[in-house]
Amino acid sequence: DAGVIQSPRHEVTEMGQEVTLRCKPISGHDYLFWYRQTMMRGLELLIYFNNNVPIDDSGMPEDRFSAKMPNASFSTLKIQPSEPRDSAVYFCASSLGTTRAEQFFGPGTRLTVL
Amino acid sequence: TQLLEQSPQFLSIQEGENLTVYCNSSSVFSSLQWYRQEPGEGPVLLVTVVTGGEVKKLKRLTFQFGDARKDSSLHITAAQPGDTGLYLCAGEYRDTGRRALTFGSGTRLQVQP
Repeated sequence: DAGVIQSPRHEVTEMGQEVTLRCKPISGHDYLFWYRQTMMRGLELLIYFNNNVPIDDSGMPEDRFSAKMPNASFSTLKIQPSEPRDSAVYFCASSLGTTRAEQFFGPGTRLTVL
Repeated sequence: TQLLEQSPQFLSIQEGENLTVYCNSSSVFSSLQWYRQEPGEGPVLLVTVVTGGEVKKLKRLTFQFGDARKDSSLHITAAQPGDTGLYLCAGEYRDTGRRALTFGSGTRLQVQP
């Protein structure tokens, strides 16, 4: 298996622009998670899905952030409009519901908002 | 809100030394994982512990789960430069009904040759 795939690996954009991050989970996994990692705040959960349905989005910073999972093999995290404080590494992870919440992470997208 | 504290935050040691990293919570975990993250990559699972008092070994790494399932430790024997990275503990609090993990702030380990 190829593991969790994320794109792009790096994104540099200007404040106010729309940013879309993409994730392909491991085939057969039924949970998908979006995290944000910064030096100051560590690894923070933004939102997670079960069987393509959003379960908990309490970690989404504000209305500028939205996430979708149109099918079992694809998810997006969108920031509109982006701000410099959104600069971070964004990780997608997937897991199989029958195990004890063991998660498999993608390589991350490093976002820089100028 | 559950808080998961890791200590120390930073650790720089010489090759061959032993070290222990701690993970503590005020709440009971239903399970706890340890991950290692290398620069430019996502965290990778090392081990999962479930039972209070459980001890698991992975080569030179020994993981222990506290009897009350509120704390865990990671001990590395004879550290090597390849052990360098960010070590994260992550707990699942099943009583909340959430499948999500709560991650600690991490211990950044550097092993000097």
